[in-house]
Amino acid sequence: SQQGEEDPQALSIQEGENATMNCSYKTSINNLQWYRQNSGRGLVHLILIRSNEREKHSGRLRVTLDTSKKSSSLLITASRAADTASYFCATDQTGANNLFFGTGTRLTVIP
Amino acid sequence: DVKVTQSSRYLVKRTGEKVFLECVQDMDHENMFWYRQDPGLGLRLIYFSYDVKMKEKGDIPEGYSVSREKKERFSLILESASTNQTSMYLCASSLMGGWGETQYFGPGTRLLVL
Repeated sequence: SQQGEEDPQALSIQEGENATMNCSYKTSINNLQWYRQNSGRGLVHLILIRSNEREKHSGRLRVTLDTSKKSSSLLITASRAADTASYFCATDQTGANNLFFGTGTRLTVIP
Repeated sequence: DVKVTQSSRYLVKRTGEKVFLECVQDMDHENMFWYRQDPGLGLRLIYFSYDVKMKEKGDIPEGYSVSREKKERFSLILESASTNQTSMYLCASSLMGGWGETQYFGPGTRLLVL
């Protein structure tokens, strides 16, 4: 499969804690994106990191990319109940005519 | 704000019926996509279009066709619905460009084929 794989599949934390989820992929990429999906809804773009970038921030989100390990992580700091959702990574793979989504991490933030 | 709308949130059809799923975007995006989402399989690309009347097959085009007669509208057609097409269908659009462009998704259509 050319999909990314998120880890863990599910994560449950208390409000205020940080949440970290990881994405691994198999081939070289041009960029990697993270999306969020609330239950039963469409996906919402969170952040994009290019292959020549190592870290990117957006508000409470921090994304890192390690192309040598073919992995990325998404950190959500000071989590809120409203962060409860599924999070997907999507890779734009070199030479491929597709955007490959992982199977997602389901995050539950307990108030 | 980009808005992508899908014609139905929930749909129940019978095996063998012809099914039309409509998607409309209001931001003049060139690219439009249809995905299906199944538990444990993530999102899989069915078809995409980069211009009016243009279409390209994605990973799983079998059993589906698409139509893009106007820039803002991209339709997914199930010619003869089957139970294995029960799924969540997501439409998305993006600006002209490669796969690195942000995709904007509609709310999804949950299709049940009996």
